[in-house]
Amino acid sequence: AQSVTQLDSQVPVFEEAPVELRCNYSSSVSVYLFWYVQYPNQGLQLLLKYLSGSTLVKGINGFEAEFNKSQTSFHLRKPSVHISDTAEYFCAVSAVGNAGNMLTFGGGTRLMVKP
Amino acid sequence: DTGVSQDPRHKITKRGQNVTFRCDPISEHNRLYWYRQTLGQGPEFLTYFQNEAQLEKSRLLSDRFSAERPKGSFSTLEIQRTEQGDSAMYLCASSGTGISYEQYFGPGTRLTVT
Repeated sequence: AQSVTQLDSQVPVFEEAPVELRCNYSSSVSVYLFWYVQYPNQGLQLLLKYLSGSTLVKGINGFEAEFNKSQTSFHLRKPSVHISDTAEYFCAVSAVGNAGNMLTFGGGTRLMVKP
Repeated sequence: DTGVSQDPRHKITKRGQNVTFRCDPISEHNRLYWYRQTLGQGPEFLTYFQNEAQLEKSRLLSDRFSAERPKGSFSTLEIQRTEQGDSAMYLCASSGTGISYEQYFGPGTRLTVT
């Protein structure tokens, strides 16, 4: 079984400042890693994913994340945030070899960008 | 491509009543997933279909819950004898087969059991 921990439930940040949202996971098998964003009254949207290869992954809207296997982490970063980045962010994993690719999510981090 | 749609968007019901939700996936997707999201938590996997076959069910899916996907198109999730603990957002997602295929999520159905 897998579990995902998002260490911060809320992250307030000023516009144009950098931000890091932290994600750690636990799994007895190798995993694929994902970050999703959820805007109010909308479905989850994939920001980026790590399947294999380079551990630095770039996604949409200027976000990037780095997979660190030794620390079992997959932190999300953005060098300069906008008001429009205000949303809930979810880290998720899926076990390698799991035929169904079901996702296990963390509890979410609410990013609040202030002007 | 109109995305994943769910109906209704909101449902208020009294404890003990039955409710049914519908999910229409992206037309070419053969996989369909149901997740449940309670307030302040991340989504939790409930069940998934590949075409019309229900291939996996979470232990969260008690015997009061049943899901179907007739003809491998839309899916329904029924909850019988609802309880207050069933209050949550029910999310549907669809994808192609294989890990490289993204799961696309619908907007969800918010269930409130009074």
